[in-house]
Amino acid sequence: DVKVTQSSRYLVKRTGEKVFLECVQDMDHENMFWYRQDPGLGLRLIYFSYDVKMKEKGDIPEGYSVSREKKERFSLILESASTNQTSMYLCASTLGETQYFGPGTRLLVL
Amino acid sequence: QKEVEQNSGPLSVPEGAIASLNCTYSDRGSQSFFWYRQYSGKSPELIMSIYSNGDKEDGRFTAQLNKASQYVSLLIRDSQPSDSATYLCAVNLSGGSYIPTFGRGTSLIVHP
Repeated sequence: DVKVTQSSRYLVKRTGEKVFLECVQDMDHENMFWYRQDPGLGLRLIYFSYDVKMKEKGDIPEGYSVSREKKERFSLILESASTNQTSMYLCASTLGETQYFGPGTRLLVL
Repeated sequence: QKEVEQNSGPLSVPEGAIASLNCTYSDRGSQSFFWYRQYSGKSPELIMSIYSNGDKEDGRFTAQLNKASQYVSLLIRDSQPSDSATYLCAVNLSGGSYIPTFGRGTSLIVHP
């Protein structure tokens, strides 16, 4: 059974804090993605990765960075959290052309 | 700029009716089409994929693709209250790596 896990379901952080969101998949998938989802705006791609140490910018990379040191783990980093980064963050990995999503992390930046 | 358009809804149908969800896309090179279902507070899950013109049926779900008109639709027969969710359309270009473009989703409400 496909499994994508995310480190936290809910997270509350202060403005200016460095925030780490982790995603782990146990399916040996090469491609992994980070999205944010906001009401009325749908899913927006932040970064994706094709392989270990490979990363590509998505549509809204500003204010974010990523790290992929191991194939199964893809981390999203908010270098200095801001209130406009309050959102639902979804990680996904792909098998063929099907995306498998993690449960999501709802982040609140105060 | 690749675009995938969906009516945000909500689309409200009575239990037992057919729900029809539509999606249009701008890029003629698109080759793969997907419907994801997302319950409130949950993450999206794939329910249908379609690659060729015509219909594809899976239980109560039918995906329809018309590449000439650049639209893809999802029909849900015998709608149930448990089908109430947001349905996301996703489109993928052929060749190269897989990076889907998602629509903003259509909210479906099935009332008893």
